[in-house]
Amino acid sequence: QKEVEQDPGPLSVPEGAIVSLNCTYSNSAFQYFMWYRQYSRKGPELLMYTYSSGNKEDGRFTAQVDKSSKYISLFIRDSQPSDSATYLCAMSDHTGTASKLTFGTGTRLQVML
Amino acid sequence: DAGITQSPRHKVTETGTPVTLRCHQTENHRYMYWYRQDPGHGLRLIHYSYGVKDTDKGEVSDGYSVSRSKTEDFLLTLESATSSQTSVYFCAITTINPGQTYEQYFGPGTRLTVT
Repeated sequence: QKEVEQDPGPLSVPEGAIVSLNCTYSNSAFQYFMWYRQYSRKGPELLMYTYSSGNKEDGRFTAQVDKSSKYISLFIRDSQPSDSATYLCAMSDHTGTASKLTFGTGTRLQVML
Repeated sequence: DAGITQSPRHKVTETGTPVTLRCHQTENHRYMYWYRQDPGHGLRLIHYSYGVKDTDKGEVSDGYSVSRSKTEDFLLTLESATSSQTSVYFCAITTINPGQTYEQYFGPGTRLTVT
């Protein structure tokens, strides 16, 4: 079993829909959680960064962490065709200072006109 | 893009040949990383560096070596390339924020094909 599980999709939604992207993890030491967006043939782009449990909002994006369930989510409101990309979750136990990340395999999102 | 460039951006090489990929950063970041990305596996850490001449292995380091002789450059070498090393390679850096939180940023990637 992988340390971080993420449904690969593709997830297809109509424009304007609310999108929910999720990851589960098994390592209870993880305490930093990140979401990256990756367009085709590009590098991952950091979207959201949260520490420990709770919610964090940035514009149309909300990141949610539930450490008791080992479950993190990214919500996208009013989805746009430009949101079509692969979304990667990543997490770190932040032991030491090297910040090594463990990634999910990514969920491909398609927002249809 | 956190001032990260990678070269070359694309390379095709033959099995058994040595290959060196370069990551260059302009913002004096201490921590640098090399990842590979493959379908079904996501991003996996190959090696990382926490300073000049200070490096350590990641999850998938077999067949790879690294060097960092200057803060701005982190080199990844495949001593004898194999077809299993066909992949997209990403360099990353970590920024340390006030309050000691960390954010990791990625370069544009190098697409390597070993024939």
